[in-house]
Amino acid sequence: ELKVEQNPLFLSMQEGKNYTIYCNYSTTSDRLYWYRQDPGKSLESLFVLLSNGAVKQEGRLMASLDTKARLSTLHITAAVHDLSATYFCAVVRSYNTDKLIFGTGTRLQVFP
Amino acid sequence: NAGVTQTPKFQVLKTGQSMTLQCAQDMNHEYMSWYRQDPGMGLRLIHYSVGAGITDQGEVPNGYNVSRSTTEDFPLRLLSAAPSQTSVYFCASSPGTSGRNRDEQFFGPGTRLTVL
Repeated sequence: ELKVEQNPLFLSMQEGKNYTIYCNYSTTSDRLYWYRQDPGKSLESLFVLLSNGAVKQEGRLMASLDTKARLSTLHITAAVHDLSATYFCAVVRSYNTDKLIFGTGTRLQVFP
Repeated sequence: NAGVTQTPKFQVLKTGQSMTLQCAQDMNHEYMSWYRQDPGMGLRLIHYSVGAGITDQGEVPNGYNVSRSTTEDFPLRLLSAAPSQTSVYFCASSPGTSGRNRDEQFFGPGTRLTVL
């Protein structure tokens, strides 16, 4: 059974600092997604990572995928308050059903 | 394009009542899913559908029914509401056809359900 774990679960960081969120998953998969959720809102797609070694960047966020290590990272560079949100990774469970299994989320809080 | 729409946005039920959460998408997506979100537990898949007339169970299907008579609509029925079903419910759709982003989920705004 596919399990997806994120760490840390909660991250409080100062503006201007760098940090990385980790997403580990337990079985083979080659498709991984990152989502952002603002408080009381729905989920918004951030990145789609579709192969080993994939790297995507958008503004101060960069995501990467290592399928051999079953690990994805979401790196935050020079954090700003607007990045405060909960970030989820989601992994496709199998090649046929395309069901996404979500991690528990990382709640990021950026303070001045 | 309205994307994925859900109704109602908020609902309060008494234990034992039944209700249907509505979900519709106008993107001609094949796949649709229902998730529930509880604090500290991320999103858990309740039911999903890979096309009209085809549904299957997710991680937490007990107490919920679904049907998919059209490509656009995917209602979620609570048969006899229980306090444990208090949660935020999200409907999502994905293209589902061959293609690199075929399982990228697009989410509705959510329904906040409280069962007393």
